Amino acid sequence: AQSVTQLDSQVPVFEEAPVELRCNYSSSVSVYLFWYVQYPNQGLQLLLKYLSGSTLVKGINGFEAEFNKSQTSFHLRKPSVHISDTAEYFCAVSGPREETSGSRLTFGEGTQLTVNP
Amino acid sequence: NAGVTQTPKFRILKIGQSMTLQCTQDMNHNYMYWYRQDPGMGLKLIYYSVGAGITDKGEVPNGYNVSRSTTEDFPLRLELAAPSQTSVYFCASSLDTQYFGPGTRLTVL
Repeated sequence: AQSVTQLDSQVPVFEEAPVELRCNYSSSVSVYLFWYVQYPNQGLQLLLKYLSGSTLVKGINGFEAEFNKSQTSFHLRKPSVHISDTAEYFCAVSGPREETSGSRLTFGEGTQLTVNP
Repeated sequence: NAGVTQTPKFRILKIGQSMTLQCTQDMNHNYMYWYRQDPGMGLKLIYYSVGAGITDKGEVPNGYNVSRSTTEDFPLRLELAAPSQTSVYFCASSLDTQYFGPGTRLTVL
């Protein structure tokens, strides 16, 4: 079984400040890791993903995340945020794609990032 | 490509009514999923499908049914709507990465 814990439910920051959204996971198998962003009244958009290879993953809108296997973490970072980054961010984990179940995702409960002027 | 599309965007149902939420994808993905999103709860998997004719239950399947007659379409059926089914419903499709539709906001009164 897999689980995801997003350590902060709300993160307020000022514009142009750096931000880190924390995500820890547990899994008994190798994992794929994802960050999705949800803007108000919209669906989920993929920010970035780790499937294999380099542990530092770059995504859209200047975000990046680092896979740390020893700490079972996948924290999301951005060096300088904008007002437009205000949204809810979801961390998710899946195992490798299986014939009988696809890539079933387990989601964290989300972190609301609010960027203030 | 339109990606994953969902209809309707909004719907209000009375208790006991039924409805079908439509989901279509044009990426030729075998795998499709239905989630519900409740405030502060993240997304919970309702049903999923690994291909036409094959469906299976997720974490919270009670009160819902699905079918998958084609690769493109994966409708979700609510037979007897209850207030507990008030939620936002998302459909997704995938190979290794899931891509989501815009959602259907359902209120049951």
